[in-house]
Amino acid sequence: AQSVTQLGSHVSVSEGALVLLRCNYSSSVPPYLFWYVQYPNQGLQLLLKYTSAATLVKGINGFEAEFKKSETSFHLTKPSAHMSDAAEYFCAVSDGNGSQGNLIFGKGTKLSVKP
Amino acid sequence: ETGVTQSPTHLIKTRGQQVTLRCSSQSGHNTVSWYQQALGQGPQFIFQYYREEENGRGNFPPRFSGLQFPNYSSELNVNALELDDSALYLCASSSQGGGQETQYFGPGTRLLVL
Repeated sequence: AQSVTQLGSHVSVSEGALVLLRCNYSSSVPPYLFWYVQYPNQGLQLLLKYTSAATLVKGINGFEAEFKKSETSFHLTKPSAHMSDAAEYFCAVSDGNGSQGNLIFGKGTKLSVKP
Repeated sequence: ETGVTQSPTHLIKTRGQQVTLRCSSQSGHNTVSWYQQALGQGPQFIFQYYREEENGRGNFPPRFSGLQFPNYSSELNVNALELDDSALYLCASSSQGGGQETQYFGPGTRLLVL
């Protein structure tokens, strides 16, 4: 069964610093991987997804993630943090068998950005 | 804005009661998935509906049930509410049920069970 582990429940960076949020997955088949962001009292917004087309995936708001099969990782990065990036970030793997695709989420990483 | 709407936004119920939550999917989408997000946790999959049929279910008891209508909107029903059912309930729509399809989430319904 697929699973996702997000290392670090809380990450704090200074404005302008590199953002690195870690995600490791477990999957017996080639996975589909997603990063979502959740702002307080809101639903989830898709940042980016990996569907095997390219290992480096660019998303919205300057975020990107690299799929590394050998490390079973899909870490999220952004070169320069902005105050508006403060939110909770969820990595997810699709438990898809071709006909369905429910998402299995990690526990989330809360990103704080200091001025 | 994803085009996915949910109602109500907030709800307070007491133990043992029943609740119905509603979701309108994004235009052109025929698949709706429901998730439960407890405080401080990631969302957990409840079930998915594809063209009005249940298309997968997570590890939730039968008192969690659902429906999808011909216009692809959906309902989540929870009977015999328990305190642990207090959570944010999210629905997500997608253009079909496949694993690589992007799921677009609504803002959620926050349920408090007293």
